[in-house]
Amino acid sequence: EIVMTQSPATLSVSPGERATLSCRASQSISSNLVWYQQKPGQAPRLLIYGASTRATGIPARFSGSGSGTEFTLTISSLQSEDFAVYYCQQYNNWPPYTFGQGTKLEIK
Amino acid sequence: EVQLVESGGGLVKPGGSLRLSCAASGFTFSTYNMNWVRQAPGKGLEWVSSISSSSSYIYYADSVKGRFTISRDNAKNSLYLQMNSLRAEDTAVYYCAISGVYSSGFDYWGQGTLVTVSS
Repeated sequence: EIVMTQSPATLSVSPGERATLSCRASQSISSNLVWYQQKPGQAPRLLIYGASTRATGIPARFSGSGSGTEFTLTISSLQSEDFAVYYCQQYNNWPPYTFGQGTKLEIK
Repeated sequence: EVQLVESGGGLVKPGGSLRLSCAASGFTFSTYNMNWVRQAPGKGLEWVSSISSSSSYIYYADSVKGRFTISRDNAKNSLYLQMNSLRAEDTAVYYCAISGVYSSGFDYWGQGTLVTVSS
């Protein structure tokens, strides 16, 4: 089973600043990684797939990068609606699909 | 517009059973793989089960194998999860999700249905 590790667990950033979230896989997953955003009381929403491709309707301030075992989600200029929990997930080797434990992005 | 609407959650005693449903619309249901993902209160996301478009391939997480059964009815655009021998640790919001629109991840999600296992 591939273990996904996200860091940090909590990230405090001011609106308008850049946020950088990390995700590491326990073995190479090529570019078979997605990022989700989840707000309180809501279902997760797909942000990025294939490690770097934005899903339909996702603003350009969200970008993904990386391949192999190291991945990054960057939000270039934080808006109030971006404060949420972010999860990475691999779909290279499944079952099982595995998720990171999440990074909570909070307002500084 | 893709819509996934789960139903069937509720309070059940340990050892009991429950059947979840997911009604799909806005896309050709019969051509996509479908999944169940759960989230315990205050916790992260956990994949539960997946079924291929024609039900030829079915997979389960080890934590539910032998207790849960996934199925689908393409004529009714519906996905199901039969949950037996429920345990307290099965308490979670259960989401249905579609794969294969953009990726082999979970491209669209329903709003979820809460299952609480407690005596």
